[in-house]
Amino acid sequence: GQSLEQPSEVTAVEGAIVQINCTYQTSGFYGLSWYQQHDGGAPTFLSYNALDGLEETGRFSSFLSRSDSYGYLLLQELQMKDSASYFCAVSYQGGKLIFGQGTELSVKP
Amino acid sequence: DTGVSQDPRHKITKRGQNVTFRCDPISEHNRLYWYRQTLGQGPEFLTYFQNEAQLEKSRLLSDRFSAERPKGSFSTLEIQRTEQGDSAMYLCASSLGEGAVGYTFGSGTRLTVV
Repeated sequence: GQSLEQPSEVTAVEGAIVQINCTYQTSGFYGLSWYQQHDGGAPTFLSYNALDGLEETGRFSSFLSRSDSYGYLLLQELQMKDSASYFCAVSYQGGKLIFGQGTELSVKP
Repeated sequence: DTGVSQDPRHKITKRGQNVTFRCDPISEHNRLYWYRQTLGQGPEFLTYFQNEAQLEKSRLLSDRFSAERPKGSFSTLEIQRTEQGDSAMYLCASSLGEGAVGYTFGSGTRLTVV
C-alpha cells in the first residue's frame, strides 16, 4: 500500500528553524509536495520535489531522497503565522495526491 | 479569477438525506479533484476529472457517492442516503495538467450529518 509518515506535532520558537520529516512506503510516484493548512482553511501549496535534492522557495525549502524514501520541509525564520498543519503528499499519474496525516506546527513567542 | 470556489461552506443534514456540493475550479484548469478530510487527518483522494471525463474513482467512493463535471467546468458531488460517517470536510482542487505546482484547493464544504 501507500503510506506517508510524519510527526504529529512539532513546537518551535519564533525566529528559529524547524524541519518536518516525511518518510514514505510507496513507489512509482512523480514527486513529493508540501502543503500548509490553517484551521478551517484550504491546503496551500508550498513546495515540490520531482528530483532528489533541495528546492528553495523563500523561507521554505524542501528535500527529497528517493533512495532513502525520505523527504523534509525546512522552515526558516519562523513567524507566528507559520503555526498551522503541514502535509507531505506524493503525486501520481493524473495528478492524484496521497497525503500524510499531517504535522501540527506550533510557533511560540 | 479568485481561485477555486466551493458551495456551500457548511452543510448540516439529517441522516438519510441527500446532499449536493458544488465546485467551481480556476477557469483555465482542465483537471478537477475531490478529496475528503476528517479531523486530524490528511485529505483523502476521492475522484478526478480531466475536462468532463471522470478518469479515476477511489474505493472510498461508495455507490452512494456520485460526481459529475457536465461541461468540463464546474463539478458537483452528491451523497445519497447520508450516514454519520460521511461527516467530513469535502475539498475540491484544480490544476492545469498533472503538475503539482499550481494545484489549487478550495476552502471546502464541511458536512455534518446528525
